[in-house]
Amino acid sequence: DTEVTQTPKHLVMGMTNKKSLKCEQHMGHRAMYWYKQKAKKPPELMFVYSYEKLSINESVPSRFSPECPNSSLLNLHLHALQPEDSALYLCASSQLRDRGSEAFFGQGTRLTVV
Amino acid sequence: KQEVTQIPAALSVPEGENLVLNCSFTDSAIYNLQWFRQDPGKGLTSLLLIQSSQREQTSGRLNASLDKSSGRSTLYIAASQPGDSATYLCAVKLNSGNTPLVFGKGTRLSVIA
Repeated sequence: DTEVTQTPKHLVMGMTNKKSLKCEQHMGHRAMYWYKQKAKKPPELMFVYSYEKLSINESVPSRFSPECPNSSLLNLHLHALQPEDSALYLCASSQLRDRGSEAFFGQGTRLTVV
Repeated sequence: KQEVTQIPAALSVPEGENLVLNCSFTDSAIYNLQWFRQDPGKGLTSLLLIQSSQREQTSGRLNASLDKSSGRSTLYIAASQPGDSATYLCAVKLNSGNTPLVFGKGTRLSVIA
């Protein structure tokens, strides 16, 4: 099983809403990542978790709040977003050692902020 | 700072043609290099992973090569099909562990029937 599952696939939210994106993997990967991707651009790193601890925050605004409740789950909590935050949000996972650290991505959540 | 460049940015070819996508990176001290495919509005699908000690990897009609010393990788697609139409992204990893990938901007491929 090399699947990373993201829910929901699509999300429309108002600027005052609070919502969460979810990501799940059962490959035993101990590194998990959130990326943001705008149209026709490459993915941009937001956060990295290693062994369920936040290890990298790429200066992301506090309206994005990540959480890693266990080794299989990664959440991204959203609050007071702006229309410019509309994008495809991608989750990825990889091994921390051995097997070459191949990264696997989910299908993404298409977020629209209105 | 590692920079990854992909050439060309877009490519249109007739069905059946063999083609090469190029990726270059500025720092040759990479841990691995990964090629991905992305369909519009979808996630990234891993195509091939090449470790820094390897020269090439093959999967079906795809062959990826790596020349670390010159900072280059190529993705060769044989006998292209309309279903190969997608954006192809090259990404490098500088170290093992949780070091994130550094992506190129991708090549948008259209295979015309």
